[in-house]
Amino acid sequence: DQQVKQNSPSLSVQEGRISILNCDYTNSMFDYFLWYKKYPAEGPTFLISISSIKDKNEDGRFTVFLNKSAKHLSLHIVPSQPGDSAVYFCAAKSTGGSQGNLIFGKGTKLSVKP
Amino acid sequence: GAVVSQHPSRVICKSGTSVKIECRSLDFQATTMFWYRQFPKKSLMLMATSNEGSKATYEQGVEKDKFLINHASLTLSTLTVTSAHPEDSSFYICSAEVNTEAFFGQGTRLTVV
Repeated sequence: DQQVKQNSPSLSVQEGRISILNCDYTNSMFDYFLWYKKYPAEGPTFLISISSIKDKNEDGRFTVFLNKSAKHLSLHIVPSQPGDSAVYFCAAKSTGGSQGNLIFGKGTKLSVKP
Repeated sequence: GAVVSQHPSRVICKSGTSVKIECRSLDFQATTMFWYRQFPKKSLMLMATSNEGSKATYEQGVEKDKFLINHASLTLSTLTVTSAHPEDSSFYICSAEVNTEAFFGQGTRLTVV
């Protein structure tokens, strides 16, 4: 049973346009969400996060939106650049109690074409 | 941000041998580290939670006798793949958390021939 779902395995976007990566979750205990970017044969690198007390967090070209009622979050990249081409993982965790581990989605491969 | 160093970045070993992968937190102490495995076209799957000074907690379906985890100090956790088989070939990644943010090692590409 997948608790974190990224239903689009791939996304292709033209340089300069907006990239929107989507993520859905099923566990209502999740209260912290993160996006990671991963290049082949490298560990994931942290991009941006959002706590469940917020519905939007912005950092430069990256904005994450959280819709708790729909259990949905999305990552917007604008403007998209060729260097953004990578696999993006959505991750979620419950921060209550003992240190929780991250539950990852399957990732979405973003290709930004010049 | 915090730095997690993982070594080696890639290793090729013969079937039946054992391979040790190290994960170090360079500028902070980590009482807990996590070991993940990435399957082709699949997500990062948590294998086990490594606890300093105590036994690791393994996820369902992960053989603890095959994937030995040792967390002897606050800055080092090791994953040993024992009696490796070709199906163990994969990308292994460790992470440690500072507050709520996870920092990942560079990953280890294991190929068992």
